[in-house]
Amino acid sequence: QKEVEQDPGPLSVPEGAIVSLNCTYSNSAFQYFMWYRQYSRKGPELLMYTYSSGNKEDGRFTAQVDKSSKYISLFIRDSQPSDSATYLCAMSDGNTPLVFGKGTRLSVIA
Amino acid sequence: EAQVTQNPRYLITVTGKKLTVTCSQNMNHEYMSWYRQDPGLGLRQIYYSMNVEVTDKGDVPEGYKVSRKEKRNFPLILESPSPNQTSLYFCASSWVITGELFFGEGSRLTVL
Repeated sequence: QKEVEQDPGPLSVPEGAIVSLNCTYSNSAFQYFMWYRQYSRKGPELLMYTYSSGNKEDGRFTAQVDKSSKYISLFIRDSQPSDSATYLCAMSDGNTPLVFGKGTRLSVIA
Repeated sequence: EAQVTQNPRYLITVTGKKLTVTCSQNMNHEYMSWYRQDPGLGLRQIYYSMNVEVTDKGDVPEGYKVSRKEKRNFPLILESPSPNQTSLYFCASSWVITGELFFGEGSRLTVL
């Protein structure tokens, strides 16, 4: 079992839809959870950062961490064509480098 | 402007011809890292550095070398490139190992 599992998609939704992106992990020591967004031909950029459990909201984006289930989610409300990108989850135990999911490719169709 | 700069951005080379991909950051970050990104395999870490003169292997270090002689620079060296090293390479830096990673624009390398 890989440390971090992420459905690669691709995921295609209509503009305005609510998008749910998910990752599962196996290492219970993970404490730092991040979501990166990567546009085509660009480097990834940090979108959301969460420490330990709970929710974090930033505009149309909400990140959730459920450590009991070893499951993290990113929700995008009122999705826009500009949200079309690859979304990568990443996590760390604090002492070792980030472990990345393989990324989910999202297309938001106008 | 805070940034991570990689060069070259695109390179086509032949098997066995040594090459270096440079990486420089202007944010005074302690931590730097190299990744390769391949379809279906995601981002895989090659090497990382916690500070000057401190480097460690990542998940896929075979065929690569790095050095960290200065805080701002972290070059990736391919001593004898092979076709299986054809990939998109990213350099990244951060204050600490768990901090926000700032990525460069990527270097697309093709080895014939």
